[in-house]
Amino acid sequence: GEEVAQTPKHLVRGEGQKAKLYCAPIKGHSYVFWYQQVLKNEFKFLISFQNENVFDETGMPKERFSAKCLPNSPCSLEIQATKLEDSAVYFCASSQDRGNEQFFGPGTRLTVL
Amino acid sequence: DQQVKQNSPSLSVQEGRISILNCDYTNSMFDYFLWYKKYPAEGPTFLISISSIKDKNEDGRFTVFLNKSAKHLSLHIVPSQPGDSAVYFCAASALGGSNYKLTFGKGTLLTVNP
Repeated sequence: GEEVAQTPKHLVRGEGQKAKLYCAPIKGHSYVFWYQQVLKNEFKFLISFQNENVFDETGMPKERFSAKCLPNSPCSLEIQATKLEDSAVYFCASSQDRGNEQFFGPGTRLTVL
Repeated sequence: DQQVKQNSPSLSVQEGRISILNCDYTNSMFDYFLWYKKYPAEGPTFLISISSIKDKNEDGRFTVFLNKSAKHLSLHIVPSQPGDSAVYFCAASALGGSNYKLTFGKGTLLTVNP
């Protein structure tokens, strides 16, 4: 598609439950990025992919967070055993190539109760 | 340790006048800079970018200026319109270091008054 699509728009989970977020990048874009926005205006980089390969995972809390980008499927970000502090808006972005601007999806708001 | 700083949380300007949003960075490895606009409950929208080999880039009403020695960039919007009211984020990456992730500032809320 011509836009980055993210589902669901909102997700509510009880503490300790699993959460899975999906992202469909713009068709033809090779790079996918996940960012977490907490406290309204602070963006934190989580992970990036080049096609289906992990490119940079330096921002991932590895114990509970995992992500995949498989061929012919939306990319996914999964949080096992969610904690209250995971409440945030999660944005996915894609770029055509490594040196290009990143285009963002509308985000998924995760609320952990 | 904030590597990208937007020191003005908010800015208010009159319709038709110039809006100037500022951004400072500390990491000398940053070589690619972007400005995004964000409305509530939406994702950031790309506006304009600049590579460190340039000191100015212009696109319609938007111009970005880069001063590498001062580690400072600014976004000029002329003329400002009420629809420009949004939060503006400055972002940077270190492409030369094969680091394509974006580091964001905390944003500046621009209000353009009719």
